[in-house]
Amino acid sequence: KAGVTQTPRYLIKTRGQQVTLSCSPISGHRSVSWYQQTPGQGLQFLFEYFSETQRNKGNFPGRFSGRQFSNSRSEMNVSTLELGDSALYLCASNRLGAGGANVLTFGAGSRLTVL
Amino acid sequence: SQQGEEDPQALSIQEGENATMNCSYKTSINNLQWYRQNSGRGLVHLILIRSNEREKHSGRLRVTLDTSKKSSSLLITASRAADTASYFCATDASGANSKLTFGKGITLSVRP
Repeated sequence: KAGVTQTPRYLIKTRGQQVTLSCSPISGHRSVSWYQQTPGQGLQFLFEYFSETQRNKGNFPGRFSGRQFSNSRSEMNVSTLELGDSALYLCASNRLGAGGANVLTFGAGSRLTVL
Repeated sequence: SQQGEEDPQALSIQEGENATMNCSYKTSINNLQWYRQNSGRGLVHLILIRSNEREKHSGRLRVTLDTSKKSSSLLITASRAADTASYFCATDASGANSKLTFGKGITLSVRP
């Protein structure tokens, strides 16, 4: 089966612009999580969506937002980009069965560079 | 904030040697997982150990968990050049709707 697909893989933006990243989870997976990865901070949790509802949120400013659609695809948006938003943005999906452990399958990531 | 912290930050070994990586965490957990990341790519799940388990094996991987010390170790035996990657521990904390919290990772280099 297809893995987690993230688009675009690479993008360059300038300060003040906004960006939308897309994630298609594995078929049948209803939970989608987003992480920001930078060399200095490592992997930082952004948010998790389950059945179109945000179920968990990390400590990021309101400029970072997301949503999930009825087909479980998810998007995240960053507005008013800052240089520090340059990072690899990783999406992960999880089937989350009853009593199942929270094991994530990651996409290849979207590399965002803010100039 | 990071829940898990890996040690060492970087490790360089010769092919065929064993690699041991450690992870410490701060709060109660349901399980602890190890992931691998090849340069610039997504993370790949390697192994999961539940809080009531002490040791788990998967192929050349062996993971231990000591909940009294809040620590875990990942052993890769007979390492190969293809094992060169970054390794992360991730904790799944107790409680409903928990999220995985990752450490900053260990960079493993296996010299051929």
